[in-house]
Amino acid sequence: DAKTTQPNSMESNEEEPVHLPCNHSTISGTDYIHWYRQLPSQGPEYVIHGLTSNVNNRMASLAIAEDRKSSTLILHRATLRDAAVYYCILPIQGAQKLVFGQGTRLTINP
Amino acid sequence: GAVVSQHPSWVICKSGTSVKIECRSLDFQATTMFWYRQFPKQSLMLMATSNEGSKATYEQGVEKDKFLINHASLTLSTLTVTSAHPEDSSFYICSARGAGLAGGLGETQYFGPGTRLLVL
Repeated sequence: DAKTTQPNSMESNEEEPVHLPCNHSTISGTDYIHWYRQLPSQGPEYVIHGLTSNVNNRMASLAIAEDRKSSTLILHRATLRDAAVYYCILPIQGAQKLVFGQGTRLTINP
Repeated sequence: GAVVSQHPSWVICKSGTSVKIECRSLDFQATTMFWYRQFPKQSLMLMATSNEGSKATYEQGVEKDKFLINHASLTLSTLTVTSAHPEDSSFYICSARGAGLAGGLGETQYFGPGTRLLVL
């Protein structure tokens, strides 16, 4: 099963862009890259997912390296409400499971 | 869209009693629901996967007789913690996966807000 590696924590300032990296060097050709985030005392929420091309939605952008061994979640203009733990996950195909690692704890300074 | 609710949001019970937690998909049919547990300062740990109308599949180390899961309909799954003990105190989170969604979106899970259980 493909595994992901993320920094334990990151810090940024309000209204600045944030780039959250994720390494997944053992990714297979059909693995999608999913990002979820968990705000304090809440269940996780889906952020974005992609396969090969960069993706944008109202929450964030996902930049996927050409070799797909890494990806970056981009929050274009962070707000205090973006403070959360961000998880980069490669769903286990067939088993339909999400295996959560430790994620990146993002702190936003006012 | 894709809203999942949980009830109750928190519960306090005495040791030895059983507690039932409900998970509902409000605006979509969930062929598969998942139950997670999260201890303070830790990540989510998958407990079991349930498909509508069939028995749940438990992860290694999770006692199926202690954590009873029922997925009786496409919008409702329940987790019953039987004979709860203080070590079962945790944050329980369910998620649901939509039916008929292709590609990466089919693997997307939508999470409930969680249920905080405290066993005294």
